[in-house]
Amino acid sequence: GESVGLHLPTLSVQEGDNSIINCAYSNSASDYFIWYKQESGKGPQFIIDIRSNMDKRQGQRVTVLLNKTVKHLSLQIAATQPGDSAVYFCAGLRWGMDSSYKLIFGSGTRLLVRP
Amino acid sequence: EAQVTQNPRYLITVTGKKLTVTCSQNMNHEYMSWYRQDPGLGLRQIYYSMNVEVTDKGDVPEGYKVSRKEKRNFPLILESPSPNQTSLYFCASSLARRRDEKLFFGSGTQLSVL
Repeated sequence: GESVGLHLPTLSVQEGDNSIINCAYSNSASDYFIWYKQESGKGPQFIIDIRSNMDKRQGQRVTVLLNKTVKHLSLQIAATQPGDSAVYFCAGLRWGMDSSYKLIFGSGTRLLVRP
Repeated sequence: EAQVTQNPRYLITVTGKKLTVTCSQNMNHEYMSWYRQDPGLGLRQIYYSMNVEVTDKGDVPEGYKVSRKEKRNFPLILESPSPNQTSLYFCASSLARRRDEKLFFGSGTQLSVL
């Protein structure tokens, strides 16, 4: 079956360092990938997205890389700050031929930022 | 402010007592969905709706019902809650148009079934 997962349940980084959060997926039919950030007590918030025809996309302090050959997605956060502490999810979306819309989430990586 | 609103935020109930968790969005989104979040399992889809009066099962629909009588509302109904439905629930919505698929989430409903 199709799946989207994350490599590590927890990642600890020093404040100011760069963070890299990884995600693997099994379904090559996914058209679109999204990274979400979930802070304690809140719902997931959109961070950045990337389409399957791209291999890199940059936002403010964040970069997403997509390697379709090995079905791997990563989120890079530059100069990690305490406010970046959260659980990060990747999600893959696929449009079906019948216009169905399916979004599959990974299990999440908790990012801990050490002062 | 564009948002997805869920109520209540916290709910404690007993086995078998019917409950409804409400969800409303003010973004005129066509697509709405319910997820449950459990430790180590990530977000799993319960039901979704592509438009008014159109609902479909997600990955874990057993024990749940939904309705979509209006575009803005998508309530989740537990007719006879059981302890294994203790979870954190999220409602989400999106335009679900190609090239505009961002999903917006509510703040969550923590449900405990005793």
